[in-house]
Amino acid sequence: KAGVTQTPRYLIKTRGQQVTLSCSPISGHRSVSWYQQTPGQGLQFLFEYFSETQRNKGNFPGRFSGRQFSNSRSEMNVSTLELGDSALYLCASSFNAGRTGANVLTFGAGSRLTVL
Amino acid sequence: AQSVTQLGSHVSVSEGALVLLRCNYSSSVPPYLFWYVQYPNQGLQLLLKYTSAATLVKGINGFEAEFKKSETSFHLTKPSAHMSDAAEYFCAVSDTGGSSNTGKLIFGQGTTLQVKP
Repeated sequence: KAGVTQTPRYLIKTRGQQVTLSCSPISGHRSVSWYQQTPGQGLQFLFEYFSETQRNKGNFPGRFSGRQFSNSRSEMNVSTLELGDSALYLCASSFNAGRTGANVLTFGAGSRLTVL
Repeated sequence: AQSVTQLGSHVSVSEGALVLLRCNYSSSVPPYLFWYVQYPNQGLQLLLKYTSAATLVKGINGFEAEFKKSETSFHLTKPSAHMSDAAEYFCAVSDTGGSSNTGKLIFGQGTTLQVKP
């Protein structure tokens, strides 16, 4: 069974540009969550999509957005990039979202964004 | 609001020694708790999870954790450290958001485990 696939793995952008990151979840998983990981702030929740609808949103500015397609693949977009947006962006998918029982997230390898 | 505190950002042990990584949580409802491991340039891998079925949880690679409600703790242990255990470890609590589960986890700041030969 293929894992969670994130593309691209590495990218470099300059301030003011925008970026789109892609996440393909495990087959059958309908929930996709995004996290930002930085040395200073650690792992922070960005948002979650379930059945093409944003279900939860973290405390990030509106420059951060996402969407989910009918095949559960998800993209996140960051507009008007700032130096502080440099981070590892992790995507996670899960099967159990919305049901009882622990919702176990399976993470991808991440997309490392560097903003110059 | 739920929160997780990991005591010690860096822990160093000798190969073969006991590994103890500390995690305390704050939650107003019975939580689901997780330990994840992250190796360099990789994503997070689930080590184990607590879902209220048993207070002592066994995970992969010889790790286990004990849920102690009275201490609001979920410490991770391994009897004998291997060099391959060197990584960053994250404790997380599930934001259950009511009666259904979501994909939102609250993570601790992480503990880097160094294993000395």
